[in-house]
Amino acid sequence: GEEVAQTPKHLVRGEGQKAKLYCAPIKGHSYVFWYQQVLKNEFKFLISFQNENVFDETGMPKERFSAKCLPNSPCSLEIQATKLEDSAVYFCASSQSDRGGGYTFGSGTRLTVV
Amino acid sequence: GEDVEQSLFLSVREGDSSVINCTYTDSSSTYLYWYKQEPGAGLQLLTYIFSNMDMKQDQRLTVLLNKKDKHLSLRIADTQTGDSAIYFCAESRGDYKLSFGAGTTVTVRA
Repeated sequence: GEEVAQTPKHLVRGEGQKAKLYCAPIKGHSYVFWYQQVLKNEFKFLISFQNENVFDETGMPKERFSAKCLPNSPCSLEIQATKLEDSAVYFCASSQSDRGGGYTFGSGTRLTVV
Repeated sequence: GEDVEQSLFLSVREGDSSVINCTYTDSSSTYLYWYKQEPGAGLQLLTYIFSNMDMKQDQRLTVLLNKKDKHLSLRIADTQTGDSAIYFCAESRGDYKLSFGAGTTVTVRA
């Protein structure tokens, strides 16, 4: 399809629970990016993939966050043992190339940790 | 992010032009972008400009880039109520990751 599909739209988890977010990139796009948008509109880069390979994971809090992009499956971002500060909107974006031309963003998953 | 700065708010009358300004610090920025975010929605790419250009026009949108001053602006002509949103300036460098400004909330009043 021509849109980046993220599911679920909203997710509520108790502190300490696991959260798993999904992203289906646009068909034909080789690059997938995850960003976290916190309350003051600040965007933080988390991780990127080139096909199923991790391209850049410098933004990932590695202790509790993990991500995968497997062939023929939606990409996923998983947070083990969620904390209150993980509450944010998580955006996925996909791109045909790793630079330039703009990225297509999904509509985001709003994670609320209570 | 601290590398990209924008004013936080802009109020404009319907039918007037809006100008949103952005400054960035990294001279190695290769592409500069404008994204629009409506409440509860994702980011919509409005336009982008390559760093060797100084102007790009697309219907009601005009992007101006002053590379010497590291200043980017977005002009929206004939602003409509549907243009009310948060507008994000972003840049990418050789490492392609996007760095976003904090967003400018544009309010269009009748």
